[in-house]
Amino acid sequence: GAGVSQSPSNKVTEKGKDVELRCDPISGHTALYWYRQSLGQGLEFLIYFQGNSAPDKSGLPSDRFSAERTGGSVSTLTIQRTQQEDSAVYLCASSLFRRDRGYTEAFFGQGTRLTVV
Amino acid sequence: QKEVEQDPGPLSVPEGAIVSLNCTYSNSAFQYFMWYRQYSRKGPELLMYTYSSGNKEDGRFTAQVDKSSKYISLFIRDSQPSDSATYLCAMSSPFNKFYFGSGTKLNVKP
Repeated sequence: GAGVSQSPSNKVTEKGKDVELRCDPISGHTALYWYRQSLGQGLEFLIYFQGNSAPDKSGLPSDRFSAERTGGSVSTLTIQRTQQEDSAVYLCASSLFRRDRGYTEAFFGQGTRLTVV
Repeated sequence: QKEVEQDPGPLSVPEGAIVSLNCTYSNSAFQYFMWYRQYSRKGPELLMYTYSSGNKEDGRFTAQVDKSSKYISLFIRDSQPSDSATYLCAMSSPFNKFYFGSGTKLNVKP
């Protein structure tokens, strides 16, 4: 596709259940980010993948959160035993270094709105 | 201390006002500075980009970087209701990951 695609766009789950959120980055983008955005906290970094390097997991809030990126493309964010405080919009971004301009631009998906009831 | 600090707002201004949005940062290695705009229920999109210090103007928008103070600003002149959105600053050093501010919510009242 032309942009970053996230699915599902909305997810309602019961407390204690596991959820999987999917991100399809722009083809050829080597870097992929997951963020969480809530009214009270703003945009929070979760995890960063860059090529074949070990992911930067420093933003994951607890061991209930994990993410993987298969084949350097699609990524899945998994939240186990969901809690009500996990309710937020989860955003994925991929990035490309613009050689013509000398900077890196991030492109975001529309997000997955997660509601834990 | 977070790498990038941004006042969450919300900031409410009347139409036509000059808006100033700001971020501070701690990493002196940052060289690329960006502002993203996010409309409600949408993903953020790149609004402006600046390399190193100085000013950059694009229509009603001016981005300013002061590396000596580790401070960046976005000014919006003659603000319009359509400018109502969340504005996020972002920065990076060459070939390294982005660091985003938490975002400032702006409301421009007609």
